[in-house]
Amino acid sequence: ETGVTQSPTHLIKTRGQQVTLRCSSQSGHNTVSWYQQALGQGPQFIFQYYREEENGRGNFPPRFSGLQFPNYSSELNVNALELDDSALYLCASSPIFNTEAFFGQGTRLTVV
Amino acid sequence: TQLLEQSPQFLSIQEGENLTVYCNSSSVFSSLQWYRQEPGEGPVLLVTVVTGGEVKKLKRLTFQFGDARKDSSLHITAAQPGDTGLYLCALRNFNKFYFGSGTKLNVKP
Repeated sequence: ETGVTQSPTHLIKTRGQQVTLRCSSQSGHNTVSWYQQALGQGPQFIFQYYREEENGRGNFPPRFSGLQFPNYSSELNVNALELDDSALYLCASSPIFNTEAFFGQGTRLTVV
Repeated sequence: TQLLEQSPQFLSIQEGENLTVYCNSSSVFSSLQWYRQEPGEGPVLLVTVVTGGEVKKLKRLTFQFGDARKDSSLHITAAQPGDTGLYLCALRNFNKFYFGSGTKLNVKP
């Protein structure tokens, strides 16, 4: 059984650009969630996808969007990047109705 | 305003000492989870507590859920350098997940 993998591990973007982060869920998990973790803070919930539909969203603007694919992998897209978007972006997968979330190692995004 | 407040924010202790970290909320929640996150890694689930007053033990770690289900604590006995990390509490509210800001623990050899 493979764990949750994220790519890339590090990324530097310029303010105003767009970015796509990728996540491969753990085998057998059909739910994926994305989080933003600023330095020194706990993860902030962005949204959750279940069966390719958004199934819950935190307090993030519409320029944060996502996709889940039939193989349960997922993407997080952020448009019009701002300096405050610099953070560790975490993906977590879980079987639905199970409260345990399995996290990837994250993508460190730096916006300059 | 954070839904979950964790204290202390930072803790630096010597190997062998005991410590307790806290997670508090003004709301009642049905269950709460504790995670540990090491630098450069994602959080890893330690335990889920569900019942008010519940106590769970994981080797040297003891987790307690308050009777009113509004607070929780994590006690570590005889801390070791391998316990170093960010300890996070988290709760699930329907389809949303909330984490506290964490307690950063450093155990010095």
